[in-house]
Amino acid sequence: SAVISQKPSRDICQRGTSLTIQCQVDSQVTMMFWYRQQPGQSLTLIATANQGSEATYESGFVIDKFPISRPNLTFSTLTVSNMSPEDSSIYLCSVDLPTGGTYEQYFGPGTRLTVT
Amino acid sequence: AQKITQTQPGMFVQEKEAVTLDCTYDTSDPSYGLFWYKQPSSGEMIFLIYQGSYDQQNATEGRYSLNFQKARKSANLVISASQLGDSAMYFCAMRELDNYGQNFVFGPGTRLSVLP
Repeated sequence: SAVISQKPSRDICQRGTSLTIQCQVDSQVTMMFWYRQQPGQSLTLIATANQGSEATYESGFVIDKFPISRPNLTFSTLTVSNMSPEDSSIYLCSVDLPTGGTYEQYFGPGTRLTVT
Repeated sequence: AQKITQTQPGMFVQEKEAVTLDCTYDTSDPSYGLFWYKQPSSGEMIFLIYQGSYDQQNATEGRYSLNFQKARKSANLVISASQLGDSAMYFCAMRELDNYGQNFVFGPGTRLSVLP
């Protein structure tokens, strides 16, 4: 498994501001992923971040709203820009780790964001 | 179309009893992996168990076992000897391995409450 940390663990922000969430992994990984989990909902993939290339965004998510950086193989950031109350969610980063011929996905502890 | 279905939004079980959480999936890929995650109220996603589509035997991990019925496309999670700490949301997820880079698809989740 991997040890994944996220900062901040939670934050309360005012609408119109931006928040950058950091994700740190204790080993080098090719792919990192960012998910959003709105209150009472399941996880929705925002984007996939590979080191050295632009992030790949899922339908409904755009780079201007959720810019992502991936400067090296152990770190990534997700910025939630121009926030509104609808952005209140848990944001989770995850990584793929090869395990017995397949890949398993491990998650960070999440960042609980409340926008007022 | 929904790829992962969890028909039980909420379940109750008496402490020390066994409980089965349902999961059905839809895929045309012959290679896929099925995962179960636990999400306590703290928000972290905890990996529980994995079943590969070619695995001959049902996966087991301690008190967790996966009742894999490939022809019916079901991958139910069985928790034996429930504990109060098992109270959480449980998510079934699938990765279609022939489309690596297409990420996990999560089900809507089942909220399990263990009663003393």
